Amino acid sequence: EPEVTQTPSHQVTQMGQEVILRCVPISNHLYFYWYRQILGQKVEFLVSFYNNEISEKSEIFDDQFSVERPDGSNFTLKIRSTKLEDSAMYFCASSPFAGVDNEQFFGPGTRLTVL
Amino acid sequence: SQQGEEDPQALSIQEGENATMNCSYKTSINNLQWYRQNSGRGLVHLILIRSNEREKHSGRLRVTLDTSKKSSSLLITASRAADTASYFCATDTGGFKTIFGAGTRLFVKA
Repeated sequence: EPEVTQTPSHQVTQMGQEVILRCVPISNHLYFYWYRQILGQKVEFLVSFYNNEISEKSEIFDDQFSVERPDGSNFTLKIRSTKLEDSAMYFCASSPFAGVDNEQFFGPGTRLTVL
Repeated sequence: SQQGEEDPQALSIQEGENATMNCSYKTSINNLQWYRQNSGRGLVHLILIRSNEREKHSGRLRVTLDTSKKSSSLLITASRAADTASYFCATDTGGFKTIFGAGTRLFVKA
């Protein structure tokens, strides 16, 4: 069964460094998402992406963050200058549809630890 | 309160019992979804119910949606120890954005 994959599973970085989190969505899906979950808290929407551009973003997704689909398979989240409070699990998701049938398939997540 | 709030926050039951979790939301929605998350793992999609549907079943899961009350419930029948997890409702309000609730932690004792 096709699944969303994410690499790395765990990333440790120093405050101020740039990190790139990678995702491979399910191949025939058209809509892509990033979410984060700070330990013990709820899953928070960051950004959605369709047709090579951002569809919607949350207030969390500030200028430090960017997303890219550099080729036909990868979907990346870049954090330019990490802060301690960026430590969280980051989940990528993809879906074949938008709207009423928007069932999203989630990857296993990348745990980002900022020291 | 926020869009997509579950109650109870935590639920502990015996294996074989039914578990009911509730979700309330504030704005109109396209659909509502329920997800399961095992500790430290990713989210598993359980069921999606459209705004024009009232009830949906999938195996031991039964989801209801009452748009007049802006609420949904997830019923897990004949629970098993493997059902122990956090359960989240998530609402799609028509944009490209899904809002998750804080979740219900379910513990099923063997």
